[in-house]
Amino acid sequence: DSGVTQTPKHLITATGQRVTLRCSPRSGDLSVYWYQQSLDQGLQFLIHYYNGEERAKGNILERFSAQQFPDLHSELNLSSLELGDSALYFCASSVGTGGEKLFFGSGTQLSVL
Amino acid sequence: AQKITQTQPGMFVQEKEAVTLDCTYDTSDPSYGLFWYKQPSSGEMIFLIYQGSYDQQNATEGRYSLNFQKARKSANLVISASQLGDSAMYFCAMRPHTSGTYKYIFGTGTRLKVLA
Repeated sequence: DSGVTQTPKHLITATGQRVTLRCSPRSGDLSVYWYQQSLDQGLQFLIHYYNGEERAKGNILERFSAQQFPDLHSELNLSSLELGDSALYFCASSVGTGGEKLFFGSGTQLSVL
Repeated sequence: AQKITQTQPGMFVQEKEAVTLDCTYDTSDPSYGLFWYKQPSSGEMIFLIYQGSYDQQNATEGRYSLNFQKARKSANLVISASQLGDSAMYFCAMRPHTSGTYKYIFGTGTRLKVLA
C-alpha cells in the first residue's frame, strides 16, 4: 500500500458528461501529480500541485482542471468527456521539493461510452 | 527537449536468469533524478530504484540495479535472478531538477515476461 488513496477505482460515464476524480496524498506529502495512462499514449503528465499551488502543467486539456485543497487532497475534474478520454488516471504524491520518488495511487479507470 | 526512450516494447527472460531493460534519456539539466517503476497487471505503479545524476555509484535495491552511464545518457535496469512475479510493465522516468519544476517524465515502458 503506497498510502495514496484514489477514488473511485472505476468510473463509467457517457460522452459529454463531467466527472471528478479524487486523490488523498500520503500523510506529510505536499506534492500531488496527476497522470493519464492510455494504451497509445503511455503515461502522460497532466499537472502538479505543491502545497495548494499549481507548479507545472503538462498535456492537460482545457476541458480538464484540477485543484489542491488546504488539507492537501486533490481533485481532477474532467468535463465534456469524449471517447478518447477513456484511460487510467493516476495520482501520485511526494514530499515535494527534491528528486524523491513518487508514490502512486491505484488509479481511477475511466470509461467513456 | 527532455525525453525518456525505452526501445524494447517487450522482453522475454527465463526464470532465474538476469535481464537488462534499456532506458536512454535526454536533458540539458545538469542535475536530475532517474527512476524505475514496475506496473503489474493489477495496475498499480511500484517504485523500484532511484539514481541521482551526481551519484558516483550505481544504485542497487535487492535484485534490482541501475546501470548508470552518464556520458551515454543511459540508465538501464538490471534484474538479477528473475522470478515469475517480475512479469510486468517497467517504466523508466526522469525528473530534471529545473528550478521550480517538479515534472517527472516517463518512457513508454517495456513489458517483461518471465518464462518458467
